[in-house]
Amino acid sequence: KQEVTQIPAALSVPEGENLVLNCSFTDSAIYNLQWFRQDPGKGLTSLLLIQSSQREQTSGRLNASLDKSSGRSTLYIAASQPGDSATYLCAVLNQGGKLIFGQGTELSVKP
Amino acid sequence: DGGITQSPKYLFRKEGQNVTLSCEQNLNHDAMYWYRQDPGQGLRLIYYSQIVNDFQKGDIAEGYSVSREKKESFPLTVTSAQKNPTAFYLCASSGTSLRETQYFGPGTRLLVL
Repeated sequence: KQEVTQIPAALSVPEGENLVLNCSFTDSAIYNLQWFRQDPGKGLTSLLLIQSSQREQTSGRLNASLDKSSGRSTLYIAASQPGDSATYLCAVLNQGGKLIFGQGTELSVKP
Repeated sequence: DGGITQSPKYLFRKEGQNVTLSCEQNLNHDAMYWYRQDPGQGLRLIYYSQIVNDFQKGDIAEGYSVSREKKESFPLTVTSAQKNPTAFYLCASSGTSLRETQYFGPGTRLLVL
């Protein structure tokens, strides 16, 4: 059974820092991996999607990497801003076509 | 504006009552999904539908029911059999292939009186 784990559960950093969020998964047989952002009490917004054949994806200050063989992904946020404060969720799409989510990392960027 | 709408934003359920959460999309997506989110946890799949008049159980379907009579609508009923319904419910949709990105609605928070 696929399990997705995100570390740390919460992270607080000062504005301007570069930071890394981690995601690990137990079954490497995935179609893709996605990173989502969730603001308090809101729905999810897709940030980056990495297909299983890809190693990384970039969007602005965000860079996500995927190492399928080791079951790991990282989300790198450059020059963090207070507006980046949110919960970040990692999800893998398994062979059955279901998205399996981690529990999220709650990020707080202090001005 | 294209997107997914969920209503109501907050819903209160009394003991023994069935309640229905609405989800509508105008993205012309074939597939629709319902997820449950508990505090500090990721999302868990309740039901999904790949096409009109067809749906499948997800990982935590007990105590819930759905219908898919129209492409743009996928309502979720939380029945009295669901003993712990307090949670945040999220609806999503995607294109024909299950590999496509899912787009999420703003969510409905269900509380028990």
